[in-house]
Amino acid sequence: QVQLQESGPGLVRPSETLSLTCTVSGYSISSGYYWGWIRQPPGKGLEWIGSISHSGSTYYNPSLRSRVTISVDTSKNQFSLRLSSVTAADTAVYSCARGNYHDTWGQGTLVTVSS
Amino acid sequence: EFVLTQSPATLSLSPGERATLSCRASQSVSSYLAWYQQKPGQPPRLLIYDASSRATGIPARFSGSGSGTDFTLTINSLEPEDFAVYYCQQRNNWPLTFGQGTKLEIK
Repeated sequence: QVQLQESGPGLVRPSETLSLTCTVSGYSISSGYYWGWIRQPPGKGLEWIGSISHSGSTYYNPSLRSRVTISVDTSKNQFSLRLSSVTAADTAVYSCARGNYHDTWGQGTLVTVSS
Repeated sequence: EFVLTQSPATLSLSPGERATLSCRASQSVSSYLAWYQQKPGQPPRLLIYDASSRATGIPARFSGSGSGTDFTLTINSLEPEDFAVYYCQQRNNWPLTFGQGTKLEIK
């Protein structure tokens, strides 16, 4: 059974960098699929942030591209998100998911941007 | 960027009724469209992919149709657990995009 689990700080200061890691179990990232990050501000809809392939190819949301980096560590079966220069508008539940159709999701983690 | 517009924003129905949700794309996404269900405090669950294929474990009362720019999610004989928010999503082109969601509420 494939499982994904997000981890990282729940509070980030404005102008700093948000960093999250998604740990995958039950499936080897090296075997395939794209792996993505999606966020959802409180009470709002879903926003795709970006995706990375098992080989490291990346695609980002144009609205966030200048601030986003997604990387993969196949040795740890993890992929990570970095979002720089955060503001209050970046407060959201951040989720990781498998595939371009997101067939498996982590539970999501709330990241609050506040001083 | 492919914009997905869902309608209606809110749909009020009773258990046992049929729900019809719409998703319209700003340009053709072929059949590369998915539907998700999201309940409060939970991540979205994939219901339908490639416009009409049910994901693993999804009941047969959920069906999807359409291609190109117009898509429909139909839920036959609504069960109490079906009341939730539904999103469509396209994977035809990068960036991946979601619709704004339709809230299905109990009448």
